[in-house]
Amino acid sequence: NAGVTQTPKFQVLKTGQSMTLQCAQDMNHEYMSWYRQDPGMGLRLIHYSVGAGITDQGEVPNGYNVSRSTTEDFPLRLLSAAPSQTSVYFCASSYSKQGNYEQYFGPGTRLTVT
Amino acid sequence: DQQVKQNSPSLSVQEGRISILNCDYTNSMFDYFLWYKKYPAEGPTFLISISSIKDKNEDGRFTVFLNKSAKHLSLHIVPSQPGDSAVYFCAASRRGGGADGLTFGKGTHLIIQP
Repeated sequence: NAGVTQTPKFQVLKTGQSMTLQCAQDMNHEYMSWYRQDPGMGLRLIHYSVGAGITDQGEVPNGYNVSRSTTEDFPLRLLSAAPSQTSVYFCASSYSKQGNYEQYFGPGTRLTVT
Repeated sequence: DQQVKQNSPSLSVQEGRISILNCDYTNSMFDYFLWYKKYPAEGPTFLISISSIKDKNEDGRFTVFLNKSAKHLSLHIVPSQPGDSAVYFCAASRRGGGADGLTFGKGTHLIIQP
């Protein structure tokens, strides 16, 4: 199993550009989430999904869109990039089972918006 | 308003001694608590978790203690090893598997001195 994969690893955008951060998992997990991490901060939840076709907003959803058309993929779209979206983005997946509480994280995408 | 707080940005411990990392939370709806370890340029990796119906969970060198009345948890690492040097994040969720995402603290940078 590859686990949770994210592409690209690094990206530089100009203000106003749009792009999609890709996230895929091959563990058949129902739950997937997107987080951002800024310097000196913990991870903050952007959007999450409890299954294909179902998404919801987290703590910091503004400026981001998501969709979940398959169990495996959960892309994060930046509609019009802003310097405030410079951050490291992590995707995570998990499953519902008695006694399981953890989320599995991908390696992250480092995004710079100039 | 931070719902999960880690008040020590850094902690230095001698190799072989006990490391104690602390975490406080304010949201009484949290039922699951997790500790993650993070190295630079990598995604967080799961260490240990505990549900609110327990007050202690142990896994090898790692033990998590939960004091629900004080809304406080701690991670004990015994004995501390050089490879334990990393940033440790406390996280909490309302649902098992982090179905609606995790809420993270800002992290504690643990440094193990030889």
